[in-house]
Amino acid sequence: GESVGLHLPTLSVQEGDNSIINCAYSNSASDYFIWYKQESGKGPQFIIDIRSNMDKRQGQRVTVLLNKTVKHLSLQIAATQPGDSAVYFCAENINQAGTALIFGKGTTLSVSS
Amino acid sequence: DAGVIQSPRHEVTEMGQEVTLRCKPISGHNSLFWYRQTMMRGLELLIYFNNNVPIDDSGMPEDRFSAKMPNASFSTLKIQPSEPRDSAVYFCASSFGTEKLFFGSGTQLSVL
Repeated sequence: GESVGLHLPTLSVQEGDNSIINCAYSNSASDYFIWYKQESGKGPQFIIDIRSNMDKRQGQRVTVLLNKTVKHLSLQIAATQPGDSAVYFCAENINQAGTALIFGKGTTLSVSS
Repeated sequence: DAGVIQSPRHEVTEMGQEVTLRCKPISGHNSLFWYRQTMMRGLELLIYFNNNVPIDDSGMPEDRFSAKMPNASFSTLKIQPSEPRDSAVYFCASSFGTEKLFFGSGTQLSVL
């Protein structure tokens, strides 16, 4: 079956830099996408989501970009802080299909000060 | 709001024993999900319930796994008999619908 995948397993950045975490999805029918942050020993926490009728959505220090043409999703974190160090997951779903979120395998973000 | 509550936080058991994981979803949510997380396979959906009814259990590995949701505020995931390959972190999540899920802190299961 189709699944969500991630381009890079790890990303190391300096404090204050901007981070970009990428995600590729293969199900063209997916119309809802979401990013989660998971810190060590904790459950995934919601960061931001986006529907397929949008190509950009901004939150506090985070921006999600959706490119449906190439089936690509990215999470941008501005002014990355040590507290942003975590594993980041993207997930997709088909909103009306009654199915559950399918998660990618995650990217580890490491922020050094 | 207490969030999704899972118990126990850690479980160590011997192969062949029965294991029961528990979950209390967020009040008002109508969907509940059980996911399993391993380094090799990431976050895998095991089963999800909507209005206490199992909707998709295609991710349940085999007959050794069973899940119940007797009411809107409680769910269990049971493994009987447990095997070492079941060792993983098991997450429960709840939501209103199937979009923004709220996860519990997980149960770290070790089967020796």
